[in-house]
Amino acid sequence: EDKVVQSPLSLVVHEGDTVTLNCSYEVTNFRSLLWYKQEKKAPTFLFMLTSSGIEKKSGRLSSILDKKELFSILNITATQTGDSAVYLCAVDCLEYGGSQGNLIFGKGTKLSVKP
Amino acid sequence: DGGITQSPKYLFRKEGQNVTLSCEQNLNHDAMYWYRQDPGQGLRLIYYSQIVNDFQKGDIAEGYSVSREKKESFPLTVTSAQKNPTAFYLCASGRGYEQYFGPGTRLTVT
Repeated sequence: EDKVVQSPLSLVVHEGDTVTLNCSYEVTNFRSLLWYKQEKKAPTFLFMLTSSGIEKKSGRLSSILDKKELFSILNITATQTGDSAVYLCAVDCLEYGGSQGNLIFGKGTKLSVKP
Repeated sequence: DGGITQSPKYLFRKEGQNVTLSCEQNLNHDAMYWYRQDPGQGLRLIYYSQIVNDFQKGDIAEGYSVSREKKESFPLTVTSAQKNPTAFYLCASGRGYEQYFGPGTRLTVT
């Protein structure tokens, strides 16, 4: 059974700290791994990773994929209270008859950044 | 503005009633998806549609039905056969690997 496991499930830090969120997966026919940030309602897209070892960066956020060890990390440096959210990891694979864009989600990591 | 809209934001129903959740997008995406989110859980796929007049079951399709008569619209019906319908429902549309989510509908069935 395909699965995506995120750790930790929750995390409390103070502003300025650096955090690392983890996502491991076991899927058949892996195609890409995606990170989302969910604040109040709908998740917003952060990164898509398809190749090992290539870091994606956006401001204070960065992410990298290891396809050999089957995991990805999401780093947030110099955290701010606005980074408080649930961070979702999802893996796109070909399980559903070869169609595109069908994702298996982890349970998410709830990040709380204290002032 | 381009985007995905879901209505209503909050919905309350009595047990045994069918209810339809609306999802509309003007992003010109072929693919649309319905997810369910329960507290402490990730998103779980209910149904998806890659093209008009075609749709497939996801992981938890039992008790749900959908239609895709127009590219812009992908309504989800929660039937009385769904044993635990109270949840947060998210609609998404996508191009390639990226999916864009609507604001969600919180359904409460009592």
